[in-house]
Order: sequence, then C-alpha cells, then structure tokens
Amino acid sequence: GENVEQHPSTLSVQEGDSAVIKCTYSDSASNYFPWYKQELGKGPQLIIDIRSNVGEKKDQRIAVTLNKTAKHFSLHITETQPEDSAVYFCAASKSGGYQKVTFGTGTKLQVIP
Amino acid sequence: EAQVTQNPRYLITVTGKKLTVTCSQNMNHEYMSWYRQDPGLGLRQIYYSMNVEVTDKGDVPEGYKVSRKEKRNFPLILESPSPNQTSLYFCASSPWTGGGQPQHFGDGTRLSIL
Repeated sequence: GENVEQHPSTLSVQEGDSAVIKCTYSDSASNYFPWYKQELGKGPQLIIDIRSNVGEKKDQRIAVTLNKTAKHFSLHITETQPEDSAVYFCAASKSGGYQKVTFGTGTKLQVIP
Repeated sequence: EAQVTQNPRYLITVTGKKLTVTCSQNMNHEYMSWYRQDPGLGLRQIYYSMNVEVTDKGDVPEGYKVSRKEKRNFPLILESPSPNQTSLYFCASSPWTGGGQPQHFGDGTRLSIL
C-alpha cells in the first residue's frame, strides 16, 4: 500500500519568513496530493491540492510543487503570519472512483511574531 | 453554512461501556468517513461509506462499527471500548466528484477510555 513520509515534524520560523514542508510517497500510481491545515481544537481543513498533471499550483501565499519522478511534493508558505501556526498534513491518493487517502504524520508549524 | 457536526466533543468513559459518536453533514455529500488521530501516526481511516447502506473497512476497523441509514448521518459505534481506543476522532465528508478524498472535517471528538 501507499506510504507517505513527511518532514520536518516541527518547524519554527520568524514572521515574514518562508516555510517549506516536504513529503514523499511510495506508490507511483498516486496522482492526487492534498494538503490540510489543522488549527488547535479544530478538524483538518483542505487548503490546497495538486494533481499529477501539473508541477506547481499557487494560491496567494501558499504553493505546492510536485516531482513525480522523485515521488515527492512540498508545501511552500511565503510571508508567514502568526495565523499560519498550525499542524499541516500532506496526503496522497489515486483518482477514479473511491480512493483511499494516506496521510503523512504532520508538521507542527510555529510562526514567531 | 457547510459543516460536519460531531457529538460529543469530549467523552471520558470506562472499558466495556458501549458508546456512540454521532456525525452529521449538511452538504448532501455521498462520501463519509471516520479517522482516528494519534501522536506520530497522523490520521488513519477507520471506516468509510460511499452512500446510504454502503460501508467498508478502512485501515484500523477493529473494535468499531458504523452504519449509514441516512445520507447525512454516519455514527461511529464502540460496542465494548478498550483503553487502546483512547484517541481523537474525526468524521469527514466529500461529494461524489471528490473521489472519496475528505474535503470537510468535523472538529473532532476526544475519547478517553479508562
């Protein structure tokens, strides 16, 4: 089955700096890669996703990149703000009908004001 | 407002006492699923449902039951809870076009089994 590894497990950055979280996956058939943000006391929230037919996707201050050859994908947050502090999860899945999602183990991001 | 509602949010109970965690969504989504979140393990799927009366096991189904009698509701049942089921539980939903990948999560239920 699919295995998703996520690094680092914790990340502290100064406000205004960039943050990068990296994930690798094992199943070359996976082609859908969502990212979730989980704030304290809340459920995960889907913030951005990427499909394997594109190499990069941006949404304001966040971007995801995908390297299918190396089987890794990354979340980039620029100009970090205190409200970006949360736990971030990457995930991998196939598409077509029902497909199970395999999650990474999470990265706790702390943005220091 | 689109939402997934779980109840209770917190529960402390004892081994063997049957409990049910309710989950309801107001988006008319076909897919619903349950996850447990444990430190260092991420989110692991317990059960999922593709529609009314259609359910299947996820990665960690032992000790749990589910039912999907109505499209909006997907309760998680622990018939005889044990301490190893102490965890943070999330219900999630997504539309048919989402392919089952969870789009909306509830805010979680923290269960402590003594």
